[in-house]
Amino acid sequence: GAVVSQHPSWVICKSGTSVKIECRSLDFQATTMFWYRQFPKQSLMLMATSNEGSKATYEQGVEKDKFLINHASLTLSTLTVTSAHPEDSSFYICSVRRTDYEQYFGPGTRLTVT
Amino acid sequence: AQKVTQAQTEISVVEKEDVTLDCVYETRDTTYYLFWYKQPPSGELVFLIRRNSFDEQNEISGRYSWNFQKSTSSFNFTITASQVVDSAVYFCALMGYNNNDMRFGAGTRLTVKP
Repeated sequence: GAVVSQHPSWVICKSGTSVKIECRSLDFQATTMFWYRQFPKQSLMLMATSNEGSKATYEQGVEKDKFLINHASLTLSTLTVTSAHPEDSSFYICSVRRTDYEQYFGPGTRLTVT
Repeated sequence: AQKVTQAQTEISVVEKEDVTLDCVYETRDTTYYLFWYKQPPSGELVFLIRRNSFDEQNEISGRYSWNFQKSTSSFNFTITASQVVDSAVYFCALMGYNNNDMRFGAGTRLTVKP
């Protein structure tokens, strides 16, 4: 069965609004979760590492004030895209790591900003 | 720095042909893990294989096989007797032992025509 869930699976929002995406670890507690972004026909790019109980670590070039990450519990991390614009339209994928080599990916959330 | 190169952007074959997807990686870590994922049109990543840097044995799983060569820093993936259902984007990925994230190649889009 699924190890990681994401909600919603797809969302359409208007420019200027904020959107929250949830990532849940279903089988185990995860102190660390990762958020990736994938533009059409491109690879997955790591956006940030979400740490339970502390601030997320953002990759270079990712605006932390625009992509708010909250890892409030050991099974839930949320990504909020604030003041979304059409260029934020993308496929957002989260992942959780159980061991140093086991990483599980969520099914992804397709965001379209109109 | 870690880097994964998948030089083949798109490959098109006819059903029943064999096809090899190339993956070359760069890392300074002595311990690392290599992965292959399949991403069908739905977007969800499907885990195919994980290999650690100390295990150079080739692996076969049904029609899939993998050739890991540390000497050339390559981890190639072969599909034998390809089928239309194999059509997808395939990603090679690298994760260092002490790194927090997984780095993906650009992906290879495989189209298998009937």
